Amino acid sequence: KNEVEQSPQNLTAQEGEFITINCSYSVGISALHWLQQHPGGGIVSLFMLSSGKKKHGRLIATINIQEKHSSLHITASHPRDSAVYICAVQLRPLQGAQKLVFGQGTRLTINP
Amino acid sequence: EAGVTQFPSHSVIEKGQTVTLRCDPISGHDNLYWYRRVMGKEIKFLLHFVKESKQDESGMPNNRFLAERTGGTYSTLKVQPAELEDSGVYFCASSQTTPGWPYNEQFFGPGTRLTVL
Repeated sequence: KNEVEQSPQNLTAQEGEFITINCSYSVGISALHWLQQHPGGGIVSLFMLSSGKKKHGRLIATINIQEKHSSLHITASHPRDSAVYICAVQLRPLQGAQKLVFGQGTRLTINP
Repeated sequence: EAGVTQFPSHSVIEKGQTVTLRCDPISGHDNLYWYRRVMGKEIKFLLHFVKESKQDESGMPNNRFLAERTGGTYSTLKVQPAELEDSGVYFCASSQTTPGWPYNEQFFGPGTRLTVL
């Protein structure tokens, strides 16, 4: 079992829908990252968070450290949001803090 | 400011050949990471440089892989000899070091797609 699990693996929705992607992890972390990869494109960092909630435009990321769970929400989804969304965690300092451990990604498709 | 760059963007080689991938981190970033995604799997860590030193190479799959970062600037990842299972996308990332701060945002390059036939 991977240390970082995402769900769902694939998600198709209509434009305008509210999207939620979930990430659960089983290790102690110092930070959690949400990343985005468009088809054929590089990886872009969306959020880095260690507690609470962050918002950027239509994107919201939350994390519950006690439950080892994070969610990425997209409000008013748009076809240009179609991409692979990846959750990655940064381990605590004694466990090799700098490297990231990745989930398998969620492929999101937003239809017009 | 230029981001992380990688060369080549694609490489197709035959089994047994040698390939060298290059990564140029963001200027001033001491930390450089190599990651790999093989088909159908999650991205996995290969190794981490701090300047020219290997801080963590626990993810290197075997001794066919050699990473260097001479002078603490760009890095190369050589695969010799390449095997079929080495096919995948190799990503490089870099980050700053902030004294007393355990983590910094990593900036990713576009990746090199390696196909071993």
